[in-house]
Amino acid sequence: GAGVSQSPSNKVTEKGKDVELRCDPISGHTALYWYRQSLGQGLEFLIYFQGNSAPDKSGLPSDRFSAERTGGSVSTLTIQRTQQEDSAVYLCASSPGVFTGNTIYFGEGSWLTVV
Amino acid sequence: AQTVTQSQPEMSVQEAETVTLSCTYDTSENNYYLFWYKQPPSRQMILVIRQEAYKQQNATENRFSVNFQKAAKSFSLKISDSQLGDTAMYFCAWRIQHAGSARQLTFGSGTQLTVLP
Repeated sequence: GAGVSQSPSNKVTEKGKDVELRCDPISGHTALYWYRQSLGQGLEFLIYFQGNSAPDKSGLPSDRFSAERTGGSVSTLTIQRTQQEDSAVYLCASSPGVFTGNTIYFGEGSWLTVV
Repeated sequence: AQTVTQSQPEMSVQEAETVTLSCTYDTSENNYYLFWYKQPPSRQMILVIRQEAYKQQNATENRFSVNFQKAAKSFSLKISDSQLGDTAMYFCAWRIQHAGSARQLTFGSGTQLTVLP
């Protein structure tokens, strides 16, 4: 597709369940980011992938959060044993490469509600 | 650590009027980029305008312009001839310039702008 694609758009899950959120970046983009946006808040950085390099996981809030990127393209963010405080919009973004002046393009996000 | 501060949680402006959104940031770096992103109800973050810190000239994109004051670490967004479609949450963001460092954007908490008919 033309833009960053995320699924599901909305997800309601019970506390304690695991969830997977998917991101399909723009074709050819080697850099991929995950951010979390809690209600009324700014964006909180979670994790960054660049090509085949080891990901920057410095923003992951706990070991319940993990992410992988297969084949340098699609990425999955996994939250294990979800808690109510995990309720947020999870935004994925991609950019063409390592140059930090490149524009970062965002998807529409996955809205997670933990009940 | 870098921080970005937006001190105006909400603002409103009459259609066709001009509005300025404020942003300040704190960094010890000399080379970086600054951005304004717009997030309408659709949730998609859309880049509005960007500024390279090494450029003294303020960036302009049609009705959008910035006032970049590097010494004061200030980066405000001016929207001229406001339109109803400008209603959105606006985020100021910072990113380091040189490779080899963390490349993620650091965001402010946002300003909700409402354009009134």
